[in-house]
Parts: sequence; C-alpha cells; structure tokens
Amino acid sequence: KAGVTQTPRYLIKTRGQQVTLSCSPISGHRSVSWYQQTPGQGLQFLFEYFSETQRNKGNFPGRFSGRQFSNSRSEMNVSTLELGDSALYLCASSARGSGRADTQYFGPGTRLTVL
Amino acid sequence: EDQVTQSPEALRLQEGESSSLNCSYTVSGLRGLFWYRQDPGKGPEFLFTLYSAGEEKEKERLKATLTKKESFLHITAPKPEDSATYLCAVQAGGSYIPTFGRGTSLIVHP
Repeated sequence: KAGVTQTPRYLIKTRGQQVTLSCSPISGHRSVSWYQQTPGQGLQFLFEYFSETQRNKGNFPGRFSGRQFSNSRSEMNVSTLELGDSALYLCASSARGSGRADTQYFGPGTRLTVL
Repeated sequence: EDQVTQSPEALRLQEGESSSLNCSYTVSGLRGLFWYRQDPGKGPEFLFTLYSAGEEKEKERLKATLTKKESFLHITAPKPEDSATYLCAVQAGGSYIPTFGRGTSLIVHP
C-alpha cells in the first residue's frame, strides 16, 4: 500500500504571500490531520478533516485553513505568510474507525521557508 | 488537560549499549499510546500502538511496554542507524487527535 504523500516537499516564499500544500492519504483512509513542527514548539496540531468536514481544530490563527475533497485528498492554505510560519508541515492519515485508538501515519512533510 | 512527558530529552549511547526511553502521561480514559521514530527533516515513522496496561510489542531491537502511567521504549544493543528522535503520543477519551510529547533525541555512536 502506498504511504501518505505530500507535495511539494520544499517551498520558499516571502512574507505576505500565500501558500497551498497538498496531501494524499493512504488508500482507504478518510481522516487527514495537519501538523506544524518547529524546533521550539514541537509537533502542533492544526486541524483534522474527515469526510470533507473539519472535525477538529488546533489553536492557530484564521490565516491557516484547509479543505478535504471527496477522494480524501486534502489541501492546507496559509495566507499572508509571516516569518514565524517557517516550519515542517506534516500531514497524517488514519482510518478513523470506531472503538480502539486510531493510528495516524505521517507523510514526509513539506519544508516551508518564509523569507 | 492531557499531558505527555518524555525523558530524557537527549540520550547518547555507544553501539551495543542497551537503554530505555520513558513516556509518562496524564490522561483520562487512555485509548492508545503510540511510538514514532523521526529522522531529521522527515515525517514521523510509525513504530507501535499500545492499547492497555501490560501490553508489550517488539520490532527488531525495539520493545515497547505500557503501564497505567507510563510507557517505555527499550532499545537492545542499538546500532548507529537507530539514531533518531523518538516521539510518544497518546489518544484519550473521545478525541481522535493524539497529544504528542516533545521527543527524545537518541544518538548511537559506533
């Protein structure tokens, strides 16, 4: 089974610009979560999409948004980029079944650098 | 609020020197505890899911155990290629979103 894929792998943008990141989950997985990872803050949860609906949201400003398509692929958008948005953005997919814990599988990440 | 604390923050070992990483948690209604390995600049790689106290899982040189308050990741006779950051996360209550610890950075010297 193919793993989680993310595109692009690297991005360089300037302050004020906007950026869109893409994530394709593992086949059959319907939940996609996005995380921001920085050396100082560790892994921080951005939001989760399941069946094209945002189900959970972390504590990030409205400049960060996302969506999920009917094929479970997801995109994340950051508008009006700030220097502090430089980070590794990670996408994780899971089956989100009922009952026991729901294991997330991560993609390789997109390294965003804001100049 | 769910809390996950990993210790030590960093660990240096000689090749072959076995050790353990700790993940202590404070949650209400644990549904699962996860271990991941992360190499620099890459996404976390899934290692184990543990569901209940007393459970153990093994993979090559790694063995994960779980009690009601903490989990250990035991590394037996580590090799330099085991060098990475090891992340622990818990899922609890009705939430599908795991809470991650800050990780343990492991360096194994040849």
